Amino acid sequence: DIQMTQSPSTLSASVGDRVTITCRASQSISSGLAWYQQKPGKAPNLLIYKASSLESGVPSRFSGSGSGTEFTLTISSLQFDDFATYYCQQYNSYSWTFGQGTKVEIK
Amino acid sequence: EVQLVESGGDLVQPGGSLRLSCAASGFTFSSYEMNWVRQAPGKGLEWVSYMSSSGRTIHYADSVKGRFTISRDNAENSLYLQMNSLRAEDTAVYYCARTRAMVPFDNWGQGTLVTVSS
Repeated sequence: DIQMTQSPSTLSASVGDRVTITCRASQSISSGLAWYQQKPGKAPNLLIYKASSLESGVPSRFSGSGSGTEFTLTISSLQFDDFATYYCQQYNSYSWTFGQGTKVEIK
Repeated sequence: EVQLVESGGDLVQPGGSLRLSCAASGFTFSSYEMNWVRQAPGKGLEWVSYMSSSGRTIHYADSVKGRFTISRDNAENSLYLQMNSLRAEDTAVYYCARTRAMVPFDNWGQGTLVTVSS
């Protein structure tokens, strides 16, 4: 199975900060990568698919980049509503796998 | 509006069985691929199983292969997960999630809790 490793595991930031989360795949996944946001007690919400395509309805402060084995999720200006846990997920080949998550906390 | 509503979660003893259901509405269910994804308490997300729109293609995570069976009834707009030989490590919230045109998990249900304990 392809292993997905996110860094950092926890991130402390302030409103207005630019935030970057990295996701690395154990082998090339081309552009088969998605990013999700999850808040406590809620289902995850799709933010980005195909590494850099913004899902409809998602604010433009979210962006994704990368291909192959290294990917990033960037929040250009962190808002209160963005404090949550973020997961990357590869869907290039089965079994589909998630990263371990990055918790974005208030500094 | 797309809606996915899971049901069937319960407390079950190790070695027991359970069947989860996911009722879909707000879209043409028979045209979409569907999945089950789970999340153990306080842990990350784990994809469990996939079924194509026709039901002909199925995939499972190694952790559930041979114990879980995914199925669907397109006439009833429903997705199912039959879980047998349950283990403590299967304890989790189980979500059904839709896939569209190679975009994974674009809509999720609210989840149903399965607890495996004696």
